[in-house]
Amino acid sequence: QQPVQSPQAVILREGEDAVINCSSSKALYSVHWYRQKHGEAPVFLMILLKGGEQKGHDKISASFNEKKQQSSLYLTASQLSYSGTYFCGTGGNAGNMLTFGGGTRLMVKP
Amino acid sequence: KAGVTQTPRYLIKTRGQQVTLSCSPISGHRSVSWYQQTPGQGLQFLFEYFSETQRNKGNFPGRFSGRQFSNSRSEMNVSTLELGDSALYLCASSLASGSATGELFFGEGSRLTVL
Repeated sequence: QQPVQSPQAVILREGEDAVINCSSSKALYSVHWYRQKHGEAPVFLMILLKGGEQKGHDKISASFNEKKQQSSLYLTASQLSYSGTYFCGTGGNAGNMLTFGGGTRLMVKP
Repeated sequence: KAGVTQTPRYLIKTRGQQVTLSCSPISGHRSVSWYQQTPGQGLQFLFEYFSETQRNKGNFPGRFSGRQFSNSRSEMNVSTLELGDSALYLCASSLASGSATGELFFGEGSRLTVL
């Protein structure tokens, strides 16, 4: 079952914050976040593992609520370079098989 | 350090034909995964190979197959092409096999158009 991402799209002004959510109907073992710019390959942002661990990457951070089977990506003080489509991918405990959400298209305007 | 290389980048085929796509992972990476990306279905897992063995397979028909060579390079093949196979096929390499072990490095993809 594909995780559900919300919102599907968001438009921000530079400096504004955003939250992207990823919900799964299945128990989560790991959650990956990737960003893909138009015409480019998806690029890894971070991975979160069971245990509610929160990770950070510059002004981008994420949380993982194992009980709620949810993960959220927080983008703080957004920059133009943050524009792109964000995907969450949920993983099991065997192999590199990730089930990706439908993506959240984020556009940051000056 | 060279990234993941996929060839060809673009190709056009007609229904019924077959196609072979190639992926060279980052040096030292032993896991190669394949994903299909379409506007309607998003990113969908095809299969993963690790040390020449298929570790996982997604929910795709048997027309989709793959293999991995001893140098970790991988190929995927789609036989009897259908219009719905038009997609961007992405290859991702990783040091190890396990969704908790770290990031996937994606190539830029092979864009297949089936007419």
